[in-house]
Amino acid sequence: EVQLVESGGGLVQPGGSLRLSCAPSGFTFSAHYMGWVRQAPGKGLEWVGHIKNRAASYTTEYGASVNGRFTISRDDSKNSLYLQMDSLKIEDTGVYYCARSPHYGDFFDYWGQGTLVTVSS
Amino acid sequence: DIQLTQSPSFLSASVGDRVTITCRASQDIRTSLAWYHQKPGKAPQLLIYATSILQSGVPSRFSGSGSGTEFTLTISRLQPEDFGGYYCQQIYIFPLTFGGGTKVEIK
Repeated sequence: EVQLVESGGGLVQPGGSLRLSCAPSGFTFSAHYMGWVRQAPGKGLEWVGHIKNRAASYTTEYGASVNGRFTISRDDSKNSLYLQMDSLKIEDTGVYYCARSPHYGDFFDYWGQGTLVTVSS
Repeated sequence: DIQLTQSPSFLSASVGDRVTITCRASQDIRTSLAWYHQKPGKAPQLLIYATSILQSGVPSRFSGSGSGTEFTLTISRLQPEDFGGYYCQQIYIFPLTFGGGTKVEIK
């Protein structure tokens, strides 16, 4: 059974940093592109970014609102996905989901349960 | 960036009703569109990809159509468990984008 479990959320001050982790299981993690999606309280979904697999040179893509502040990485040897968030802003508050892309498209076929990030002073 | 505009943003319908949600793209995205359903407090679930291909396990009352800039998600007979948010997503080009969402309420 495919599972994705996020961790690392919490309360952080504006300007601070936080690192989220995602632990996948039930599939060959190294073969898949992975992504992060967030959702501000009471709002819609926002794509944060994607990281491709080794065959695609671990290329990353980011949404405009986080580009230059957030970094997605992965450690295939540890079966782990990461989201490093720096220079956090109040508007970065929300639930962050990690998600898997299947081999045949950049949409998401499996999602984690999400972890809440609150940016507040 | 490609903008996706969903309509309506909210709809209220009765069990058994036929429901249609529209997603319009700001430029041609061929058939590179997916649909998700999200219940309150839960993660989104994939319903449809490539405009019209039903994800495994998704009930056949859901269907998708369209191409280019206009797409629709149809629920042929609304069920009580279909309440929640519905989102389209374009995967034609990075940055990927989601529509603003449609909230479905069961009367």
